[in-house]
Amino acid sequence: GAVVSQHPSWVICKSGTSVKIECRSLDFQATTMFWYRQFPKQSLMLMATSNEGSKATYEQGVEKDKFLINHASLTLSTLTVTSAHPEDSSFYICSATTRVTSTDTQYFGPGTRLTVL
Amino acid sequence: DAKTTQPNSMESNEEEPVHLPCNHSTISGTDYIHWYRQLPSQGPEYVIHGLTSNVNNRMASLAIAEDRKSSTLILHRATLRDAAVYYCILSGSTSGTYKYIFGTGTRLKVLA
Repeated sequence: GAVVSQHPSWVICKSGTSVKIECRSLDFQATTMFWYRQFPKQSLMLMATSNEGSKATYEQGVEKDKFLINHASLTLSTLTVTSAHPEDSSFYICSATTRVTSTDTQYFGPGTRLTVL
Repeated sequence: DAKTTQPNSMESNEEEPVHLPCNHSTISGTDYIHWYRQLPSQGPEYVIHGLTSNVNNRMASLAIAEDRKSSTLILHRATLRDAAVYYCILSGSTSGTYKYIFGTGTRLKVLA
């Protein structure tokens, strides 16, 4: 149980285009989903917290107009990287949880590798 | 946000036990301690979590110090598949939202 999928697993795009990444909880309802970014040989950095039906809460330094997050249902959250540039190339990982308390486990997706040319 | 400190890397021989330490001296009374591991180009995988008492599951054991300022993840018999980056994370609340703040983690190398 507690499987989270991401689509696509990798994407290559041209500079200036927008890219949408989907995160789905396959066997549970996720009230909260999180989006992380990971650069090579670095740790995961939290970008934003997304609650179903509400606006996402972004971490300091993350541009909300550049990284659009939509959490329209209890099983789906999307991250759209708008007007992508080479510096946006990274490994994007989502996680999902049924409840947000200190004991509740986040289940992570397999990640999406974005390469911007 | 409470922070964790882990050694950058550790090595272990295959089929031997591995003890991965984590310091979290600023832990608050309600913070749970979570451990995840990450293989290259994959998302983190849940390993174990606990609050005060030691915990065991099929993957590992978690030993938590009495003062909760440190914990140790124990892999009882390391295999080559256990080679990964292991993260110790405290889940704490900021304005009602519990989120994970990842530290640098420990890269575990398992020698055949």
